[in-house]
Amino acid sequence: LAKTTQPISMDSYEGQEVNITCSHNNIATNDYITWYQQFPSQGPRFIIQGYKTKVTNEVASLFIPADRKSSTLSLPRVSLSDTAVYYCLVGDISTGNQFYFGTGTSLTVIP
Amino acid sequence: DVKVTQSSRYLVKRTGEKVFLECVQDMDHENMFWYRQDPGLGLRLIYFSYDVKMKEKGDIPEGYSVSREKKERFSLILESASTNQTSMYLCATEGGWSLVKQYFGPGTRLTVT
Repeated sequence: LAKTTQPISMDSYEGQEVNITCSHNNIATNDYITWYQQFPSQGPRFIIQGYKTKVTNEVASLFIPADRKSSTLSLPRVSLSDTAVYYCLVGDISTGNQFYFGTGTSLTVIP
Repeated sequence: DVKVTQSSRYLVKRTGEKVFLECVQDMDHENMFWYRQDPGLGLRLIYFSYDVKMKEKGDIPEGYSVSREKKERFSLILESASTNQTSMYLCATEGGWSLVKQYFGPGTRLTVT
């Protein structure tokens, strides 16, 4: 079971780039790394997913080093609406590995 | 867009009652999941199902059971509700090749008194 470790909370000012790092030392060969965002009173929402190197979409970038034991979610120029809890998830259901969401990182964007 | 609906947003039940939480998805996804979310503990997987009538235990299955009689519907059952099952319950569905992009419902806030 590939468990993850993230900072409990982070603060950032509007307009800054935010980087949230997740450690997953026991990641398996077939595991993907996925990040979710959750606003209060809502279910989590998929942000980005990757296997290795770098992935970018319209919302964020995901950096994964060669050993894949960690990953970094990068949010460019955050706004107040990016205040949320961010979860790093590692798993692959096809191999029977369970998903582990953990407690996530609570990001607060300050005006 | 994928739509995942849960039968209730808020539910209040008494200790010992049998509780059914329903989840329905409209995207023909094979995989469905039930999580509970508690402050300081994050999301924890209760059960998941990868096909009709198939189920697998998650991290915390004790006190729960599930039913998947049709592909679009996944039910979570609390056989005898207890106060420590007061929580937010989230259903999710997944059907892509990567098997990790889950779509979540709005959640059911269950209070057991």
